[in-house]
Amino acid sequence: QVQLVESGGGLVKPGGSLRLSCAASGFTFSDYYMSWIRQAPGKGLEWVSYISSSSSYTNYADSVKGRFTISRDNAKNSLYLQMNSLRAEDTAVYYCARDRWLIDYWGQGTLVTVSS
Amino acid sequence: DVVMTQSPLSLPVTLGQPASISCRSSQSLVYSDGNTYLNWFQQRPGQSPRRLIYKVSNRDSGVPDRFSGSGSGTDFTLKISRVEAEDVGVYYCMQGTHSLTFGGGTKVEIK
Repeated sequence: QVQLVESGGGLVKPGGSLRLSCAASGFTFSDYYMSWIRQAPGKGLEWVSYISSSSSYTNYADSVKGRFTISRDNAKNSLYLQMNSLRAEDTAVYYCARDRWLIDYWGQGTLVTVSS
Repeated sequence: DVVMTQSPLSLPVTLGQPASISCRSSQSLVYSDGNTYLNWFQQRPGQSPRRLIYKVSNRDSGVPDRFSGSGSGTDFTLKISRVEAEDVGVYYCMQGTHSLTFGGGTKVEIK
């Protein structure tokens, strides 16, 4: 069965950095685009970024462009999100999700809190 | 950017009664491959979102048949034929045709 397990969240000060990871299993990871989606406390869902199956194409929401970098390691079945210059408004649960057109599976999420 | 507008924001429903959620996009969601990438998700309290419907009207495996999706172009609807207690949560539409955008969500609660 498809499993996506995020890790790496935590408390970080404004201006700081954090790297999220997502371990995938139960499917051929290298066949799929992958996405990061976030949800601020009590708010709706916001797409953050996606990456193509071979890493040749990436796309970012305007709110994170230039600060966040998505990457993947198909040999390790892993997806990453490097987050730099973090702001209070980046506080959210970050979900890893499979695909970018259909978003058929989600992880359980990892909480990132940006606060001094 | 494509804007997805959902209504209503909140939907109190009596158990056993139908419910309907509207989702409108600011642009046509027909992709270059002919598909319309409009999906619906349910998020129960404290849980990750779960996909219910993909490409407008295709129900996911394990989703009760009281859930149905319809629409075309820029106008889409999610219907629950008879609301049950387990349907409480927030419902989101999402388009995957032009990058990726979510609607603001509709909270379904029992009256």
